[in-house]
Amino acid sequence: QLQLQESGPGLVKPSETLSLTCTVSGASMSSDDYYWGWIRQPPGKGLEWIGSMFSSGGSYYNPSLKSRVTISVDTSKNQFSLKLSSVTAADTAVYHCARQGHIMGAPVWFDPWGQGTLVTVSS
Amino acid sequence: DIQMTQSPSTLSASVGDTVTITCRASQSISGWLAWYQQKRGKAPKLLIYRASSLKNGVPSRFSGSGSGTEFTLTISSLQPDDFATYYCQQYNSYPYSFGQGTKLEIK
Repeated sequence: QLQLQESGPGLVKPSETLSLTCTVSGASMSSDDYYWGWIRQPPGKGLEWIGSMFSSGGSYYNPSLKSRVTISVDTSKNQFSLKLSSVTAADTAVYHCARQGHIMGAPVWFDPWGQGTLVTVSS
Repeated sequence: DIQMTQSPSTLSASVGDTVTITCRASQSISGWLAWYQQKRGKAPKLLIYRASSLKNGVPSRFSGSGSGTEFTLTISSLQPDDFATYYCQQYNSYPYSFGQGTKLEIK
């Protein structure tokens, strides 16, 4: 059964870079033909897609965050990562990682998801 | 960008009831819509994809319908485990977007 688990610092200072890793277990990322994505959820609010990257390269980022986001995939470690630069209090959220399928190369729904990790931006 | 609007924001119901949640897209998304269930502090779980296709293992009391700009999620014969927050997501076009959520509460 495929499982995803987020990890990383729970507290980041304003203007610094948020870095999270998602570890995938139960399947090999190198043999699977999927996108790997990040979605965040500010406290008490809804879900916002951050970006997705294909296992063999190629990525999509939310235009509202694109200038600050980098997603990378390391199939040798069965992990993928998120970096969000120049963070502010508005970036405080629970960050989820998820596998995203595709239909003829076009990303579709997310399944499964990691439980999420809370990242607070504060000095 | 496509905006997704869910209604109602909160829904109170009793065990055994049938409830319907609506999701409207700001422009046509054909049938490219998914529904998720999220319980407090847990990961969202996929229920339905392609507007009406039930994910394997999801109880048949969940059903989805719609196309274009209006979609519904119906839960029949509510069970205690169904009280949660539900989100729709469009994947017709980038950037992929979610509704704001509908919280299903016990009456």
